Amino acid sequence: DAGITQSPRHKVTETGTPVTLRCHQTENHRYMYWYRQDPGHGLRLIHYSYGVKDTDKGEVSDGYSVSRSKTEDFLLTLESATSSQTSVYFCAISDRSDISFTEAFFGQGTRLTVV
Amino acid sequence: AQTVTQSQPEMSVQEAETVTLSCTYDTSESDYYLFWYKQPPSRQMILVIRQEAYKQQNATENRFSVNFQKAAKSFSLKISDSQLGDAAMYFCAYRSPNTDKLIFGTGTRLQVFP
Repeated sequence: DAGITQSPRHKVTETGTPVTLRCHQTENHRYMYWYRQDPGHGLRLIHYSYGVKDTDKGEVSDGYSVSRSKTEDFLLTLESATSSQTSVYFCAISDRSDISFTEAFFGQGTRLTVV
Repeated sequence: AQTVTQSQPEMSVQEAETVTLSCTYDTSESDYYLFWYKQPPSRQMILVIRQEAYKQQNATENRFSVNFQKAAKSFSLKISDSQLGDAAMYFCAYRSPNTDKLIFGTGTRLQVFP
């Protein structure tokens, strides 16, 4: 299994508080992604990174920020949590060879509840 | 922007039968990668099969095969000899070679009946 760890695995937080989720990899993969999974919506891309300090927005980036100060860590921050951000969050990693793209490997997910 | 559409929220199949899950996508890129992922109740995301757009031959992995129709932008997954363990959510995904974004569809929940 790819070395990818999400923390925490579960979190309950109050509306208006900041929250940071961490994704840590030991594979030295270049690309890292944050998704949220909600019933009926599948996995929606929040932000992704293509290198240290290089990030770009996904389709549902409002209310979220990310940082990648080193290859192995990709942090997702909810600046001021809202109930609509209650979801399961997945981190994924991927690399790119000279020959072909590789598939993405996923973390186990973080269930975040905003009350 | 690329989009991925899975029009079947739920499908069911009897054990040992064959089922096909549909996926369509929209892109202006000529080269790209397509994937099917499986998500069992454990929530773990598992790669089922992948297809490179420049390859005309349909990918096959044991009981899983795809029907890739590039002109129609269609990428369906066929599961043969369905097993109880195939019951899961299945997601179709598109990866852009230009942006490296990985975009998913909304998923199809597959039930397998004995």
